[in-house]
Amino acid sequence: EVQLLESGGGLVQPGGSLRLSCVASGFNLRNFAVSWVRQAPGEGLAWVSSISDSGASKHYADSVKGRFTISRDNSKNTLYLQMTSLRVEDTAIYYCAKTVRVLALEDAYDMWGQGTMVTVSS
Amino acid sequence: DIVMTQSPDSLAVSLGERATINCKSSQSVLYVSNNKDYLAWYQQKPGQPPKLLINWASARESGVPDRFSGSGSGTDFTLTISSLQAEDVALYYCQQYYNTPGTFGRGTKVEIK
Repeated sequence: EVQLLESGGGLVQPGGSLRLSCVASGFNLRNFAVSWVRQAPGEGLAWVSSISDSGASKHYADSVKGRFTISRDNSKNTLYLQMTSLRVEDTAIYYCAKTVRVLALEDAYDMWGQGTMVTVSS
Repeated sequence: DIVMTQSPDSLAVSLGERATINCKSSQSVLYVSNNKDYLAWYQQKPGQPPKLLINWASARESGVPDRFSGSGSGTDFTLTISSLQAEDVALYYCQQYYNTPGTFGRGTKVEIK
Protein backbone atom coordinates (compact mmCIF):
# COMPACT_ATOMS: atom_id res chain seq x y z
CA GLU A 1 0.00 0.00 0.00
CA VAL A 2 1.21 3.47 -0.88
CA GLN A 3 1.30 5.49 2.31
CA LEU A 4 3.13 7.68 4.80
CA LEU A 5 3.21 6.56 8.42
CA GLU A 6 4.26 8.81 11.27
CA SER A 7 5.46 7.71 14.70
CA GLY A 8 7.23 9.10 17.73
CA GLY A 9 4.56 11.30 19.24
CA GLY A 10 3.64 11.25 22.90
CA LEU A 11 3.41 13.19 26.13
CA VAL A 12 6.42 15.29 27.06
CA GLN A 13 7.07 17.98 29.65
CA PRO A 14 7.81 21.56 28.65
CA GLY A 15 11.47 21.85 27.73
CA GLY A 16 11.63 18.23 26.67
CA SER A 17 12.47 16.62 23.34
CA LEU A 18 10.91 14.20 20.88
CA ARG A 19 11.88 12.80 17.50
CA LEU A 20 9.15 12.15 14.99
CA SER A 21 9.58 9.76 12.08
CA CYS A 22 7.65 9.38 8.85
CA VAL A 23 8.20 6.25 6.79
CA ALA A 24 7.06 6.00 3.19
CA SER A 25 5.92 2.65 1.85
CA GLY A 26 4.91 1.58 -1.62
CA PHE A 27 6.83 4.34 -3.38
CA ASN A 28 10.21 6.05 -3.42
CA LEU A 29 10.18 9.16 -1.26
CA ARG A 30 13.66 10.24 -2.38
CA ASN A 31 12.36 12.15 -5.40
CA PHE A 32 10.00 14.37 -3.45
CA ALA A 33 10.25 17.27 -1.07
CA VAL A 34 8.47 16.53 2.18
CA SER A 35 7.00 18.72 4.90
CA TRP A 36 5.72 18.59 8.43
CA VAL A 37 2.38 20.29 9.00
CA ARG A 38 0.74 20.48 12.42
CA GLN A 39 -2.75 20.98 13.70
CA ALA A 40 -3.38 22.09 17.26
CA PRO A 41 -6.57 20.73 18.89
CA GLY A 42 -9.59 22.37 17.28
CA GLU A 43 -7.40 24.56 15.11
CA GLY A 44 -6.39 24.81 11.47
CA LEU A 45 -3.36 23.60 9.58
CA ALA A 46 0.05 25.19 10.13
CA TRP A 47 3.16 24.47 8.11
CA VAL A 48 6.14 23.62 10.34
CA SER A 49 9.09 22.66 8.14
CA SER A 50 10.08 21.45 4.67
CA ILE A 51 13.06 19.63 3.23
CA SER A 52 14.04 19.24 -0.41
CA ASP A 53 14.39 15.86 -2.12
CA SER A 54 18.15 15.76 -1.57
CA GLY A 55 17.99 17.24 1.92
CA ALA A 56 20.16 20.18 0.90
CA SER A 57 17.44 22.79 1.39
CA LYS A 58 15.53 23.12 4.67
CA HIS A 59 12.97 25.66 5.84
CA TYR A 60 11.30 26.30 9.18
CA ALA A 61 8.40 28.28 10.53
CA ASP A 62 9.57 31.16 12.73
CA SER A 63 7.79 29.58 15.70
CA VAL A 64 10.05 26.51 15.62
CA LYS A 65 13.28 27.88 14.17
CA GLY A 66 16.24 27.00 16.35
CA ARG A 67 14.28 24.34 18.23
CA PHE A 68 13.21 21.87 15.52
CA THR A 69 15.43 20.13 12.97
CA ILE A 70 14.14 18.40 9.87
CA SER A 71 16.15 15.65 8.19
CA ARG A 72 15.71 12.67 5.96
CA ASP A 73 17.38 9.34 5.22
CA ASN A 74 16.57 8.47 1.63
CA SER A 75 18.13 5.03 1.99
CA LYS A 76 15.44 4.30 4.59
CA ASN A 77 12.66 6.20 2.81
CA THR A 78 12.21 8.12 6.05
CA LEU A 79 11.68 11.71 7.17
CA TYR A 80 12.45 12.97 10.67
CA LEU A 81 11.63 15.92 12.88
CA GLN A 82 13.82 16.42 15.94
CA MET A 83 11.96 18.65 18.39
CA THR A 84 13.73 20.22 21.37
CA SER A 85 12.82 22.86 23.96
CA LEU A 86 9.20 21.90 23.50
CA ARG A 87 6.51 24.35 24.59
CA VAL A 88 2.87 23.90 25.52
CA GLU A 89 1.93 25.65 22.29
CA ASP A 90 3.67 22.90 20.27
CA THR A 91 0.86 20.54 21.28
CA ALA A 92 -0.67 19.30 18.04
CA ILE A 93 -1.12 16.46 15.61
CA TYR A 94 1.94 16.41 13.39
CA TYR A 95 1.45 15.27 9.80
CA CYS A 96 4.08 14.51 7.22
CA ALA A 97 3.08 15.33 3.67
CA LYS A 98 4.74 14.89 0.27
CA THR A 99 4.63 17.23 -2.68
CA VAL A 100 2.78 16.46 -5.87
CA ARG A 101 5.63 17.10 -8.27
CA VAL A 102 8.99 15.41 -8.34
CA LEU A 103 11.83 17.69 -7.17
CA ALA A 104 9.50 20.66 -6.40
CA LEU A 105 9.96 22.22 -2.96
CA GLU A 106 7.03 24.59 -3.22
CA ASP A 107 4.01 22.55 -4.13
CA ALA A 108 0.68 21.21 -2.95
CA TYR A 109 0.61 18.03 -0.87
CA ASP A 110 -1.04 15.01 -2.43
CA MET A 111 -0.24 12.45 0.26
CA TRP A 112 -0.50 12.85 4.01
CA GLY A 113 0.18 10.49 6.86
CA GLN A 114 -2.43 9.81 9.53
CA GLY A 115 -0.55 12.02 11.95
CA THR A 116 1.10 11.57 15.34
CA MET A 117 -0.05 13.42 18.43
CA VAL A 118 2.43 15.46 20.44
CA THR A 119 1.27 16.70 23.83
CA VAL A 120 3.45 19.09 25.79
CA SER A 121 2.24 19.37 29.35
CA SER A 122 3.51 19.27 32.89
CA ASP B 1 4.53 35.44 4.64
CA ILE B 2 1.48 35.37 2.38
CA VAL B 3 -1.70 35.54 4.45
CA MET B 4 -4.66 33.47 3.25
CA THR B 5 -8.08 34.71 4.32
CA GLN B 6 -11.03 32.36 3.95
CA SER B 7 -14.69 33.21 4.18
CA PRO B 8 -17.08 32.35 5.61
CA ASP B 9 -15.83 30.54 8.71
CA SER B 10 -18.76 28.18 8.39
CA LEU B 11 -21.80 27.64 6.22
CA ALA B 12 -24.84 25.43 6.28
CA VAL B 13 -26.29 24.34 2.96
CA SER B 14 -29.24 22.11 2.11
CA LEU B 15 -28.55 18.80 0.42
CA GLY B 16 -28.34 19.28 -3.32
CA GLU B 17 -27.70 23.00 -3.04
CA ARG B 18 -24.56 24.94 -3.92
CA ALA B 19 -21.82 25.72 -1.41
CA THR B 20 -19.30 28.46 -2.13
CA ILE B 21 -16.10 29.11 -0.18
CA ASN B 22 -13.86 32.10 -0.80
CA CYS B 23 -10.13 32.48 -0.32
CA LYS B 24 -8.11 35.66 -0.68
CA SER B 25 -4.33 35.90 -0.63
CA SER B 26 -2.45 38.96 0.64
CA GLN B 27 -0.42 38.99 -2.55
CA SER B 28 -0.77 37.41 -5.96
CA VAL B 29 0.03 33.70 -6.21
CA LEU B 30 0.02 33.78 -10.00
CA TYR B 31 3.44 32.84 -11.36
CA VAL B 32 3.69 34.93 -14.49
CA SER B 33 6.29 32.80 -16.28
CA ASN B 34 3.99 29.78 -16.52
CA ASN B 35 0.64 31.51 -15.96
CA LYS B 36 -0.25 29.16 -13.10
CA ASP B 37 -1.86 30.04 -9.80
CA TYR B 38 -0.10 28.26 -6.95
CA LEU B 39 -3.28 27.60 -4.97
CA ALA B 40 -4.68 24.34 -3.61
CA TRP B 41 -7.88 23.28 -1.86
CA TYR B 42 -8.08 20.52 0.74
CA GLN B 43 -10.92 18.69 2.44
CA GLN B 44 -10.54 17.41 5.99
CA LYS B 45 -13.07 15.15 7.66
CA PRO B 46 -13.04 14.55 11.44
CA GLY B 47 -10.21 12.31 12.56
CA GLN B 48 -8.64 12.23 9.11
CA PRO B 49 -5.71 14.00 7.47
CA PRO B 50 -6.41 16.59 4.79
CA LYS B 51 -7.12 15.38 1.27
CA LEU B 52 -6.02 17.34 -1.78
CA LEU B 53 -9.05 18.22 -3.90
CA ILE B 54 -7.80 20.86 -6.31
CA ASN B 55 -4.37 21.94 -7.49
CA TRP B 56 -3.34 24.97 -9.57
CA ALA B 57 -6.51 26.73 -8.44
CA SER B 58 -8.79 24.75 -10.76
CA ALA B 59 -7.32 21.30 -11.53
CA ARG B 60 -9.31 18.56 -9.85
CA GLU B 61 -7.30 15.66 -8.46
CA SER B 62 -7.97 12.20 -9.82
CA GLY B 63 -11.00 10.63 -8.18
CA VAL B 64 -12.46 13.90 -6.88
CA PRO B 65 -16.15 14.20 -7.86
CA ASP B 66 -16.87 16.78 -10.53
CA ARG B 67 -19.28 18.61 -8.22
CA PHE B 68 -16.12 20.16 -6.75
CA SER B 69 -14.66 23.01 -8.79
CA GLY B 70 -12.10 25.72 -8.21
CA SER B 71 -11.88 29.10 -9.87
CA GLY B 72 -10.15 32.44 -9.59
CA SER B 73 -6.70 33.88 -10.24
CA GLY B 74 -4.19 36.25 -8.72
CA THR B 75 -5.48 36.92 -5.23
CA ASP B 76 -9.12 35.80 -5.24
CA PHE B 77 -10.24 32.19 -5.40
CA THR B 78 -13.40 30.15 -4.94
CA LEU B 79 -14.17 26.53 -4.18
CA THR B 80 -17.67 25.52 -5.28
CA ILE B 81 -19.55 22.37 -4.40
CA SER B 82 -22.31 22.41 -7.01
CA SER B 83 -24.69 19.98 -5.31
CA LEU B 84 -23.88 19.30 -1.67
CA GLN B 85 -23.91 15.66 -0.60
CA ALA B 86 -23.92 14.32 2.95
CA GLU B 87 -20.37 13.05 2.56
CA ASP B 88 -19.14 16.58 1.80
CA VAL B 89 -19.57 17.67 5.42
CA ALA B 90 -16.01 18.63 6.34
CA LEU B 91 -13.54 21.43 6.85
CA TYR B 92 -12.11 22.99 3.71
CA TYR B 93 -8.76 24.78 3.53
CA CYS B 94 -7.05 26.79 0.85
CA GLN B 95 -3.25 26.87 0.68
CA GLN B 96 -0.81 28.90 -1.36
CA TYR B 97 2.42 27.26 -2.48
CA TYR B 98 3.75 30.24 -4.40
CA ASN B 99 6.52 30.55 -1.85
CA THR B 100 7.74 29.10 1.43
CA PRO B 101 6.08 28.95 3.89
CA GLY B 102 3.09 27.44 2.14
CA THR B 103 0.41 29.12 4.19
CA PHE B 104 -3.11 27.84 4.79
CA GLY B 105 -6.38 29.64 5.32
CA ARG B 106 -8.10 29.20 8.67
CA GLY B 107 -10.63 26.78 7.20
CA THR B 108 -14.34 26.79 6.41
CA LYS B 109 -16.70 24.32 8.04
CA VAL B 110 -19.42 23.02 5.73
CA GLU B 111 -22.53 21.54 7.32
CA ILE B 112 -25.95 20.36 6.22
CA LYS B 113 -28.83 22.75 6.81
